[in-house]
Amino acid sequence: DVQMTQSPSSLSASVGDRVTITCRASQGINNYLAWFQQKPGEAPKSLIYGTSSLQSGVPSKFSGSGSGTDFTLTINNLQPEDFATYYCQQYDTYPYTFGQGTNLEIK
Amino acid sequence: QVQLVESGGGVVQPGRSLRLSCAASGFTFSSYAIHWVRQAPGKGLEWVAAISYDESRKYFADSVKGRFTISRDNSRNTVLLQMNSLRPEDTAIYYCARRHWALDAWGQGTLVTVSS
Repeated sequence: DVQMTQSPSSLSASVGDRVTITCRASQGINNYLAWFQQKPGEAPKSLIYGTSSLQSGVPSKFSGSGSGTDFTLTINNLQPEDFATYYCQQYDTYPYTFGQGTNLEIK
Repeated sequence: QVQLVESGGGVVQPGRSLRLSCAASGFTFSSYAIHWVRQAPGKGLEWVAAISYDESRKYFADSVKGRFTISRDNSRNTVLLQMNSLRPEDTAIYYCARRHWALDAWGQGTLVTVSS
């Protein structure tokens, strides 16, 4: 199975900050990398697919990049509604696997 | 709009069975694979199973292989997850999701609790 390692596991930031979350795959995943946002008590929301493509309706403050085994999610100009848990997921091979999550908290 | 609604969750004793349903609307259901993802209380996301648009391919996580089955009825826009021999570690919120490029649309989830 492809192991997905996210870092950091938690992150404190202030409104207006820019943050970056990283995700490393244990093997190449052909850029089949997605990012999700989850708020407490809610279902995950898809943000990015194919490493860098924004889902419809997702603001451009979210961006993804990377290749091979190393990927990043960047969030610009943090707003209160952005504080949530973020997960990466590879969907190149079954079983699909998620990173352990990054809890983004307000400083 | 795209909508997925899970149902069938509840409290069940270890070793018993439960069947979850995912009802879809707002898109051409028969054209999309559907996945199940679960989340144990206070934990991260775990991919569980998937079924192709035409039911020809099915995939399972090792943790549920041999105990869970998946099926779909394209005439009723529904996917079923049959869960047998349930264990306490299967306790989780179960989400169904549509695969369009990635898992782009998710239901609100249904809670399964396995406890004696």
